[in-house]
Amino acid sequence: QQQVKQSPQSLIVQKGGISIINCAYENTAFDYFPWYQQFPGKGPALLIAIRPDVSEKKEGRFTISFNKSAKQFSLHIMDSQPGDSATYFCASSQGGSEKLVFGKGTKLTVNP
Amino acid sequence: NAGVTQTPKFRILKIGQSMTLQCTQDMNHNYMYWYRQDPGMGLKLIYYSVGAGITDKGEVPNGYNVSRSTTEDFPLRLELAAPSQTSVYFCASQRLREAGELFFGEGSRLTVL
Repeated sequence: QQQVKQSPQSLIVQKGGISIINCAYENTAFDYFPWYQQFPGKGPALLIAIRPDVSEKKEGRFTISFNKSAKQFSLHIMDSQPGDSATYFCASSQGGSEKLVFGKGTKLTVNP
Repeated sequence: NAGVTQTPKFRILKIGQSMTLQCTQDMNHNYMYWYRQDPGMGLKLIYYSVGAGITDKGEVPNGYNVSRSTTEDFPLRLELAAPSQTSVYFCASQRLREAGELFFGEGSRLTVL
């Protein structure tokens, strides 16, 4: 089973700080790298995604950085807010989403 | 527009009992998925369907069955429930196969005692 290794397992950040979550994948054929955000009691929801033809994608305060040679990608949350407190999952796939492999998740807590 | 709706939200089963988790979507998506989420383990794919009448196994299909008689509905059947099936189950749907956005339901929390 192809793996996606996510770290850290949990993260505590002060309001206004930068949150960084890292993921590493094994399969060099992976061509789609989404991040999902999950609030307690809710299902995951797509936050942002990137393909390997770009090294960075930014949407508001959320940025994905992608390093193809290192087989790593990371999520940066700038100016972190208490409302960002959630569990974040990275994922990777090649082709269809039936092959989407999720990381184990990072629980982010942003203190006010 | 309700999106993906799962029922029930909570259920307690005794070992050996059977039940069906219901999932329906109103977005006319062809692709539907069932995941289970265990603490610290991420999401594991149980079964998926690419359209009515077509289903296939995911990573952890043992102990489960699915059917897809309509585009809207994708029920997950648990036969002979075991404590290892205690988990939160999520149904998801997708418009396109090629790495499109997955829309998740709010989950069904199942406890097997």
